Amino acid sequence: GESVGLHLPTLSVQEGDNSIINCAYSNSASDYFIWYKQESGKGPQFIIDIRSNMDKRQGQRVTVLLNKTVKHLSLQIAATQPGDSAVYFCAEYDAGKSTFGDGTTLTVKP
Amino acid sequence: DGGITQSPKYLFRKEGQNVTLSCEQNLNHDAMYWYRQDPGQGLRLIYYSQIVNDFQKGDIAEGYSVSREKKESFPLTVTSAQKNPTAFYLCASSIRGREKLFFGSGTQLSVL
Repeated sequence: GESVGLHLPTLSVQEGDNSIINCAYSNSASDYFIWYKQESGKGPQFIIDIRSNMDKRQGQRVTVLLNKTVKHLSLQIAATQPGDSAVYFCAEYDAGKSTFGDGTTLTVKP
Repeated sequence: DGGITQSPKYLFRKEGQNVTLSCEQNLNHDAMYWYRQDPGQGLRLIYYSQIVNDFQKGDIAEGYSVSREKKESFPLTVTSAQKNPTAFYLCASSIRGREKLFFGSGTQLSVL
């Protein structure tokens, strides 16, 4: 069936560097995508979203890029901080429900 | 403060026992969802409800049941038919027709 996938299960970066987390999706009918951040033992929290009619959206220190041609989504975190250490999920929305990828664990080294 | 409350935080189930996980929200959201999360994996949809007294099966509904008698509440029962219930269970809500999910803090279910 349709699924959302992440390219790397883990990512380790140095504090202050930029992080790029990737996600591949296969449901061409999905028209909305969200990135969530999940800290240990907690529920996921919304970070940023993007609609399928856009290719880039920026927030505070985060940018989401959408390439519909190759069905690829990425989350860029600028000047990564220790508090950014968490698991990051992309989710695609279609027909009233969200489908999540497997997640990328981001570790920030001091 | 508005939010979603899940209880208990930890729950243990004996063989052949049904257990119920509670989820309450005061966000006035119409839609509510239950997800299951296994270690190192993403979230899989169990059941969802877009409106009171109505709910739909998600991708992994077998061995689970739900009810939606009140807008604020969406309890999940893990039945004895669910042979591998150990997981982290997450409840979420959203404004109906809107994509952004608000999550509770989860319930960790383990089998004794």
